[in-house]
Amino acid sequence: DVKVTQSSRYLVKRTGEKVFLECVQDMDHENMFWYRQDPGLGLRLIYFSYDVKMKEKGDIPEGYSVSREKKERFSLILESASTNQTSMYLCASSPHASETQYFGPGTRLLVL
Amino acid sequence: GDSVTQMEGPVTLSEEAFLTINCTYTATGYPSLFWYVQYPGEGLQLLLKATKADDKGSNKGFEATYRKETTSFHLEKGSVQVSDSAVYFCALSDRGGSNYKLTFGKGTLLTVNP
Repeated sequence: DVKVTQSSRYLVKRTGEKVFLECVQDMDHENMFWYRQDPGLGLRLIYFSYDVKMKEKGDIPEGYSVSREKKERFSLILESASTNQTSMYLCASSPHASETQYFGPGTRLLVL
Repeated sequence: GDSVTQMEGPVTLSEEAFLTINCTYTATGYPSLFWYVQYPGEGLQLLLKATKADDKGSNKGFEATYRKETTSFHLEKGSVQVSDSAVYFCALSDRGGSNYKLTFGKGTLLTVNP
């Protein structure tokens, strides 16, 4: 079974803090994705990566950056957290040229 | 650009009732279509998919048929159970080069009462 893990299930941070959300997959997938999920808005793509050290902006990249130094790990960084970044963050991975994505359990982030 | 529209919830049904969740899409090409399910406190899981027109995806008693003429991919189940309570997302794939991105609908919350 494909396993995608996220470093925290729940996280509470203060406005202005730098926040790191980590995602690890154990199936040697090339592609990795970060989404945020908000009520009434569904899932929105923040950033994605097709290979190590490669990244591309999704639909809502503002206020976020990413890092992919190793194939299995994809980090989402909030440089200076703000209250409007309070959300559920979901990581996903997929094999090269595959349409099916596999999701982690999510990190619920609260920014105070 | 590509988009997915699914019926707004919440949907509340009694056990053994028939379920339909409507999904329509707009796409420039010929996307594959998906239904994902999110159980409480969990991430999304692939429920079923269809890759071309008239294909039917099925899993766990759920079915959806890719209808190109109506640009639809409605989810159905003949008899729901309490354990089907979850949020259901319709999605389409968008091929950029040799890799894919997914575009999701907003999700439909289903609650099944005993």
